[in-house]
Amino acid sequence: AQSVTQLDSQVPVFEEAPVELRCNYSSSVSVYLFWYVQYPNQGLQLLLKYLSGSTLVKGINGFEAEFNKSQTSFHLRKPSVHISDTAEYFCAVRESDSSYKLIFGSGTRLLVRP
Amino acid sequence: EAEVAQSPRYKITEKSQAVAFWCDPISGHATLYWYRQILGQGPELLVQFQDESVVDDSQLPKDRFSAERLKGVDSTLKIQPAELGDSAMYLCASSLRATGPTGANVLTFGAGSRLTVL
Repeated sequence: AQSVTQLDSQVPVFEEAPVELRCNYSSSVSVYLFWYVQYPNQGLQLLLKYLSGSTLVKGINGFEAEFNKSQTSFHLRKPSVHISDTAEYFCAVRESDSSYKLIFGSGTRLLVRP
Repeated sequence: EAEVAQSPRYKITEKSQAVAFWCDPISGHATLYWYRQILGQGPELLVQFQDESVVDDSQLPKDRFSAERLKGVDSTLKIQPAELGDSAMYLCASSLRATGPTGANVLTFGAGSRLTVL
């Protein structure tokens, strides 16, 4: 069965600095990968997804992620963060032979300081 | 922009009471999901519907939780009786028919219903 690991529970960073949020997954088959963002007391919003093709995926709000099959990783990056990026970020994986089961990681809280 | 509607946003109840949450998915979305998100954790799938049929309820505590989607549109999640450990955010999501590796598998989430059991 697939699983998702987000090792960093919280990442503090100063405004305008770059950031990387790490995500590793475990699966015996090919996968589809997603990053969602959750602002306080709100639902989850899709940032970006990897289904196939180019391993570098660009999403909303200036975020991008790179799929690395050999390292089973899908790290999220942004070259310059804003205060408004403060939120919880969730990595999620769906196995290609399962059309619906979306498994989430435990989340990483990005805290952007002025 | 179309949204997934959920109510109530907040619910405080005492243990052993019954509680219900309602979800109205985006029009035309055949697949509906209920997730539970405990504070500090990622969402966990409780139940998934394809139209009015349950596709997966393997993680639903069936002794106290029930879910229905009678006409294949809106859905209700019920807890009876509520326990202290049920305190969590209950998220509803919907997607186009969940088949194949296409954008149809993207889930759109509602704002959630936060439950506090005292």
